[in-house]
Amino acid sequence: NAGVTQTPKFQVLKTGQSMTLQCAQDMNHNSMYWYRQDPGMGLRLIYYSASEGTTDKGEVPNGYNVSRLNKREFSLRLESAAPSQTSVYFCASDHRGAYSNQPQHFGDGTRLSIL
Amino acid sequence: AQKITQTQPGMFVQEKEAVTLDCTYDTSDQSYGLFWYKQPSSGEMIFLIYQGSYDEQNATEGRYSLNFQKARKSANLVISASQLGDSAMYFCAMRPLPPSSGSARQLTFGSGTQLTVLP
Repeated sequence: NAGVTQTPKFQVLKTGQSMTLQCAQDMNHNSMYWYRQDPGMGLRLIYYSASEGTTDKGEVPNGYNVSRLNKREFSLRLESAAPSQTSVYFCASDHRGAYSNQPQHFGDGTRLSIL
Repeated sequence: AQKITQTQPGMFVQEKEAVTLDCTYDTSDQSYGLFWYKQPSSGEMIFLIYQGSYDEQNATEGRYSLNFQKARKSANLVISASQLGDSAMYFCAMRPLPPSSGSARQLTFGSGTQLTVLP
């Protein structure tokens, strides 16, 4: 039962480098999300994709771009990494039906450090 | 806009005792869902329990129950018979339900409560 798979699990970048975080889900969910988690602040939504072919900004989108490659995959790109983007990144997915009482399923996270 | 407040940064409980983790929320939506997640030190996010705003009964899932007081806008998590494996960070989260639509239906998280179970 893979669920939501994120790669890589750890990464260290230098300021100004670019990187793409990968996420794939095998639960046939139509909606996918990217969050960042910083100490004392809980999870904050960066971008989301309500369905294949659509993406929208969340609470903290600056410095990031996303691509919904297909129904299974949703990637997050840092074009020019900054130390403020040091964080733990989580990908999540759910089935965004008429009654959104279904929980989001999360990947194991990517720990990203920007030096 | 929605807001989730978890006022207890850290909590301690003795093994086998019950513990209540507080969560208050603020929303103008008439219909919404409340979620609790557990994050152990290994980092993954584990869904625990869900409560809908129109559910008449408090949700229960094994040793987890949700003390939902709509008028007070609180959704406290109660863990009965605590175990050492319950030591983790716990997050309360909320999302609007229909008729809210589009970007308004996103999950908003609180800042979390770190629970430590003592042997």
